[in-house]
Amino acid sequence: DIQMTQSPSSLSASVGDRVTITCRASQSISTYLNWYQQKPGKAPKLLIYAAASLESGVSSRFRGSGSGTDFTLTISGLQPEDFATYYCQQSDSTPLTFGGGTKVEIK
Amino acid sequence: QVQLVQSGAEVKKPGSSVKVSCKASGGTFGFYGITWVRQAPGQGPEWLGGIIPVFGTVHYAQNLHGRVTITADESTSTAYMELSSLRSEDTAVYYCARDPSAVPRGSYFDYWGQGTLVTVSS
Repeated sequence: DIQMTQSPSSLSASVGDRVTITCRASQSISTYLNWYQQKPGKAPKLLIYAAASLESGVSSRFRGSGSGTDFTLTISGLQPEDFATYYCQQSDSTPLTFGGGTKVEIK
Repeated sequence: QVQLVQSGAEVKKPGSSVKVSCKASGGTFGFYGITWVRQAPGQGPEWLGGIIPVFGTVHYAQNLHGRVTITADESTSTAYMELSSLRSEDTAVYYCARDPSAVPRGSYFDYWGQGTLVTVSS
């Protein structure tokens, strides 16, 4: 199974900050990497698919990059509604696997 | 717009089975995949498996050791996930989600159900 490791596991940031979350795969997954945002009690929401493609309706503050084993989600100009937990997910091979999550909290 | 509506919360005894439904509306049901993901309290999501109704192909996570069965009824645009031999570790919120990809490679999940809490307790 492909292991997905996110860092950091949590971070504190202020409104307006630029935030970077990293996701590392245990083996190369090309660009088969997706990012989700989840708020408490809600289902995950797709932000980025295929490493860098912005899902329709998602703010351009969110940007994904990377290929192979190393990926990044960048949030530019953090907004109050962005405080949530973020997960990466690989779809290179089954079983499809998720990272452990990064919780973005208000400083 | 696309909506996935899941069945309600369940409380089950260890060793029993649970079947969760996921009814889709607003899209062409058969031509998209439906995947199932669960999330235990305080944990990250875990992929259980998925189905492409029009092809009848199903993929499962092997770590569930054959305890999960995913089916779909195109006539009612409903997908089902049944988990057997329940144990306390299966307590989680179970989600269905739509997958625009016809195969697992390249999958991503763009619409999600509201989640179904399954509690396994004696």
